[in-house]
Amino acid sequence: DADVTQTPRNRITKTGKRIMLECSQTKGHDRMYWYRQDPGLGLRLIYYSFDVKDINKGEISDGYSVSRQAQAKFSLSLESAIPNQTALYFCATTQITNYGYTFGSGTRLTVV
Amino acid sequence: RKEVEQDPGPFNVPEGATVAFNCTYSNSASQSFFWYRQDCRKEPKLLMSVYSSGNEDGRFTAQLNRASQYISLLIRDSKLSDSATYLCVVPSYNTDKLIFGTGTRLQVFP
Repeated sequence: DADVTQTPRNRITKTGKRIMLECSQTKGHDRMYWYRQDPGLGLRLIYYSFDVKDINKGEISDGYSVSRQAQAKFSLSLESAIPNQTALYFCATTQITNYGYTFGSGTRLTVV
Repeated sequence: RKEVEQDPGPFNVPEGATVAFNCTYSNSASQSFFWYRQDCRKEPKLLMSVYSSGNEDGRFTAQLNRASQYISLLIRDSKLSDSATYLCVVPSYNTDKLIFGTGTRLQVFP
């Protein structure tokens, strides 16, 4: 089993729908992150969390929300999906930032 | 100045060639640096970490120049399987997150 698991792998949804992307990890890391990747723009941080009670906004948090249900689980929600949220979404974890991240396999989201 | 800047490429090189990518960063206090490899539509995977002047792993060498605030990645004897995008990564000023460059695309041809 993968250390960092993202579900679903692919999703097509309609404009205005609410959608949740899930991330779970077995590495025992405290720090979890959600990024989105768009061609030419690289990886941009949406939200991150250092603990169950800790949630921090990244550079592009508008239109997104997160929930850290447990140390191992970090979910990303799009309350009302719009087409420009079509992207590849990655979850990442680490115990210490200076050691680098481990990434999940990504969720390809298409909003039509 | 952007926090992390890379030449997007693409770099098109023949098999067996040596190729080098540079990356500049703005956080002069950073103590760690990373190169990640990303295949098309896949997750980034850690290729090399750099904590001092450099690091070498087989055909891959990463070098750090703190005075000029750049890191480089050298790939010797390029293989077809090296074709990918290489991401330069540096911790943020308060080390709570990593900052990713937009990537340098490498294409190795036969």
